[in-house]
Amino acid sequence: AQTVTQSQPEMSVQEAETVTLSCTYDTSESNYYLFWYKQPPSRQMILVIRQEAYKQQNATENRFSVNFQKAAKSFSLKISDSQLGDTAMYFCAFSGGSEKLVFGKGTKLTVNP
Amino acid sequence: DSGVTQTPKHLITATGQRVTLRCSPRSGDLSVYWYQQSLDQGLQFLIQYYNGEERAKGNILERFSAQQFPDLHSELNLSSLELGDSALYFCASSVDGGPRGQYFGPGTRLTVT
Repeated sequence: AQTVTQSQPEMSVQEAETVTLSCTYDTSESNYYLFWYKQPPSRQMILVIRQEAYKQQNATENRFSVNFQKAAKSFSLKISDSQLGDTAMYFCAFSGGSEKLVFGKGTKLTVNP
Repeated sequence: DSGVTQTPKHLITATGQRVTLRCSPRSGDLSVYWYQQSLDQGLQFLIQYYNGEERAKGNILERFSAQQFPDLHSELNLSSLELGDSALYFCASSVDGGPRGQYFGPGTRLTVT
């Protein structure tokens, strides 16, 4: 069974600075997808960024980028130029052949003014 | 706005009762997923439907059931409710079963008293 581990329950960062959220996963599958979802206080789950395991290139979406290390089974999220609106829970998620999402327990990120 | 709609937003009911949660996927999406988010269990996959057929089952209790109708909307039925069923229930949809990511509705907050 796949597992996703987020080892940082809480993090904080100053506005305009950069922060990196960690995620590791365990799987025996060779073809899979990884995602970061954001859950602000409104509770809406918002897809931030996705990575296909067979792609070497790290995904980037505006201020959000990932560092995907397939051999190490690591998938970290970097947020550049942090904004107050980035304050949220961030969930790392895995999707393999079964298509369901397996989530980590989340990292609560607070951006301070 | 993800394009996924869920009703109702909030539901308060008593133990032993039965409720139905409704979800309409994004236009064009054939897959619907149901997830439960609770404080102790985190985000857990319950069940997936693809074009009207059940495709995958997760940790869904026997007291819970779901279906997807010809117009692709889905309903999650929860019966013989217990206090521990209080949670946020999300519906998500995807066009192709997952690789491009699942898009979540706003959730239904269920409180069992």
